[in-house]
Amino acid sequence: DADVTQTPRNRITKTGKRIMLECSQTKGHDRMYWYRQDPGLGLRLIYYSFDVKDINKGEISDGYSVSRQAQAKFSLSLESAIPNQTALYFCATSDFLGGTSNEQFFGPGTRLTVL
Amino acid sequence: AQKITQTQPGMFVQEKEAVTLDCTYDTSDPSYGLFWYKQPSSGEMIFLIYQGSYDQQNATEGRYSLNFQKARKSANLVISASQLGDSAMYFCAIDNAGGTSYGKLTFGQGTILTVHP
Repeated sequence: DADVTQTPRNRITKTGKRIMLECSQTKGHDRMYWYRQDPGLGLRLIYYSFDVKDINKGEISDGYSVSRQAQAKFSLSLESAIPNQTALYFCATSDFLGGTSNEQFFGPGTRLTVL
Repeated sequence: AQKITQTQPGMFVQEKEAVTLDCTYDTSDPSYGLFWYKQPSSGEMIFLIYQGSYDQQNATEGRYSLNFQKARKSANLVISASQLGDSAMYFCAIDNAGGTSYGKLTFGQGTILTVHP
């Protein structure tokens, strides 16, 4: 079974709709992240959480919100989807080993299309 | 703020030859980590190799090695003996170090590698 899972894997929605992307992990990591990937721009950080009570905005948080329901679950919501939020969304987790050697483990991605 | 630059949008290499993918970075923090990830056409992100800023030796993982030149702020990925399965997008990333903020990755734009038979 995959260590980091994302649901749904693909979603098509309409402008103005609320949508939630879910992420679950079995790695026992405290840290979780949401990224979006656009062609030619690499991955950009939306939100991150270093533990259940810690939620932080990333580089591009406008138009998004998150919820950390448990250590293993981190959800990303688009309150009112717009077409330029069409992208590939990744959830990732990491352990805290101290220093900078914190490899992130990625989920398979959710391809979101907003019409 | 940290920044990663990958100047090669696309690279081509013949099977069994070596290839170098370029990555330069900008950070004011003395402590940082550099990562390379592979993204095949199926979309998943696969961790390849890590280099810490204080590591004395260049990192190696099988056919992957990292040519770390700290003074030049470069962290190029070298893939030896390329295989057809190496065809993918490759991302360089820097750990957004700073006090307790380790663990926030900043990614470059990526390089598409195509391996020809």
